Amino acid sequence: EAGVTQFPSHSVIEKGQTVTLRCDPISGHDNLYWYRRVMGKEIKFLLHFVKESKQDESGMPNNRFLAERTGGTYSTLKVQPAELEDSGVYFCASSQRTGVPETQYFGPGTRLLVL
Amino acid sequence: QKEVEQNSGPLSVPEGAIASLNCTYSDRVSQSFFWYRQYSGKSPELIMSIYSNGDKEDGRFTAQLNKASQYVSLLIRDSQPSDSATYLCAVSRPGAGSYQLTFGKGTKLSVIP
Repeated sequence: EAGVTQFPSHSVIEKGQTVTLRCDPISGHDNLYWYRRVMGKEIKFLLHFVKESKQDESGMPNNRFLAERTGGTYSTLKVQPAELEDSGVYFCASSQRTGVPETQYFGPGTRLLVL
Repeated sequence: QKEVEQNSGPLSVPEGAIASLNCTYSDRVSQSFFWYRQYSGKSPELIMSIYSNGDKEDGRFTAQLNKASQYVSLLIRDSQPSDSATYLCAVSRPGAGSYQLTFGKGTKLSVIP
């Protein structure tokens, strides 16, 4: 069974540019989470999808971040315009059932550097 | 006060010894507790999950939970050099219908051959 995949693995962009990150969860997993780790800090929650609906987006830092999960399969996280403080590692995780505290399986992350 | 606290380490133990990793959390509503292992540049990998007070053993790993003290630990017996990694403590509580994870900063473990 394929795990959670993320694309790209690395991205280097200039301040003010736009970047779109993609996550493909494990097949059949309804829950998809986005997390971020900035340098020196802990991994922090951004948002949670159940199928195509945003269940909880309380961790999104500001309106420069837009997440979508059309069709309830893969998800994209767009940062527009990117700022220096957006640099970090963006992780995606998925789990199968909704409404219970389940194991979340993490992807390898996208390392974003904003110059 | 941080929501989930861990000693950042590094924690160094000789091969074959017991490694003890500790974590405290501040939110008493937390229901589920997880230990993830993360090798440098890789994704966090679940090692143990624990939901009830007491001990839970899986091979060389034992997780211990004390909800009254808001404390969770991970013991690694017969430590191997391949156990050298950063260990992340994560807690989960229901919020807005989501079981988002709150992580500590991680403890870096080094097992010396």
